[in-house]
Amino acid sequence: DAGITQSPRYKITETGRQVTLMCHQTWSHSYMFWYRQDLGHGLRLIYYSAAADITDKGEVPDGYVVSRSKTENFPLTLESATRSQTSVYFCASSSGDTQYFGPGTRLTVL
Amino acid sequence: DAKTTQPPSMDCAEGRAANLPCNHSTISGNEYVYWYRQIHSQGPQYIIHGLKNNETNEMASLIITEDRKSSTLILPHATLRDTAVYYCIVRVGFFGGATNKLIFGTGTLLAVQP
Repeated sequence: DAGITQSPRYKITETGRQVTLMCHQTWSHSYMFWYRQDLGHGLRLIYYSAAADITDKGEVPDGYVVSRSKTENFPLTLESATRSQTSVYFCASSSGDTQYFGPGTRLTVL
Repeated sequence: DAKTTQPPSMDCAEGRAANLPCNHSTISGNEYVYWYRQIHSQGPQYIIHGLKNNETNEMASLIITEDRKSSTLILPHATLRDTAVYYCIVRVGFFGGATNKLIFGTGTLLAVQP
């Protein structure tokens, strides 16, 4: 019963590099979400997906790309990482009225 | 989503009940009250939600006032592992897109003392 997992849990990268954060859920939930959490801002929605091959922007999508070829996976890519993208990233999934969150990925961009 | 007001912090003795209040005076008729918590460095964890009736599950109880303008989350026997930030969120029930995203406020830091 893995639920929702994220990898890697910690990542250090350099400005300008491409980084992909992985999210996998075992519940076959239709909806999946990516949030970032920063001090002073709480959790902010980056992108979400209603089903495989259906994605849409959230509050802060600039600099991020998502894809969802399979229901269970929802990777988040930073095409050219910037220092302002240093944050903790949380993936979540939902089948209806409740969201369940993954453990998070702590990303540092130097 | 309606705005919520929570105290910034609370203390509770281990083994005692923790009662966390939340004011949501502008809640709409179709909005639910949700509670999540976030233990340090972990992802937010769903606790419970309700519309107007009191709810109980294995983690907690949720008491919603008759006018729905406030609610209380009750952890019946707090343990040290319950130390976390607790978020009260009001929103429509179906997570159907960005307009239905969760909006986390600043929450209440509950410190359970030994």
